[in-house]
Amino acid sequence: RKEVEQDPGPFNVPEGATVAFNCTYSNSASQSFFWYRQDCRKEPKLLMSVYSSGNEDGRFTAQLNRASQYISLLIRDSKLSDSATYLCVVNIGGSSNTGKLIFGQGTTLQVKP
Amino acid sequence: GAVVSQHPSRVICKSGTSVKIECRSLDFQATTMFWYRQFPKKSLMLMATSNEGSKATYEQGVEKDKFLINHASLTLSTLTVTSAHPEDSSFYICSARMAGGLGYTQYFGPGTRLTVL
Repeated sequence: RKEVEQDPGPFNVPEGATVAFNCTYSNSASQSFFWYRQDCRKEPKLLMSVYSSGNEDGRFTAQLNRASQYISLLIRDSKLSDSATYLCVVNIGGSSNTGKLIFGQGTTLQVKP
Repeated sequence: GAVVSQHPSRVICKSGTSVKIECRSLDFQATTMFWYRQFPKKSLMLMATSNEGSKATYEQGVEKDKFLINHASLTLSTLTVTSAHPEDSSFYICSARMAGGLGYTQYFGPGTRLTVL
């Protein structure tokens, strides 16, 4: 089983749509969670961290369910510029935290006019 | 904001050539740098963790004699792909963790696309 699993998609949605991505992680010791965005042939860029209480940044909302080891990202009012691959990322942490990040395969979003 | 550069951005070389990729933190000191590899439509895979002044820690399945890592200063880490072969063609990305920063805060370089003919 992969450490971080995502549906690769692609998700094809019209502009203005609401779209949700899900991610599951296998290591219950995981401590920090993130969503990164990666454009084609570019490096990943941090979109937002995911907190236990959930967090929102404009049109983006992230949720964490530790009991189910599940993370979600909701994008409202999709824009053409949201087209990218969204990477679910987990940090194991612990007493010897090396900062190692585990990346999911990514979910591709295509927003159509 | 924290900036990480990589050089070169793209390399095309013949099989058997050794290729060196540099990763620099431009405006901060990085005690730890990470090297990733990404194949098309695949996830970023951590290859190794590089700590300044010490030997790199390689992930399982990554040949340390094939992928030489040197982290001689707080702002520079290099990855050398020795005797590159076509199967080494990939997107190599480095990231840097700020000295004294939170364990999970990493800043990514723009990546180096390696094509081995």
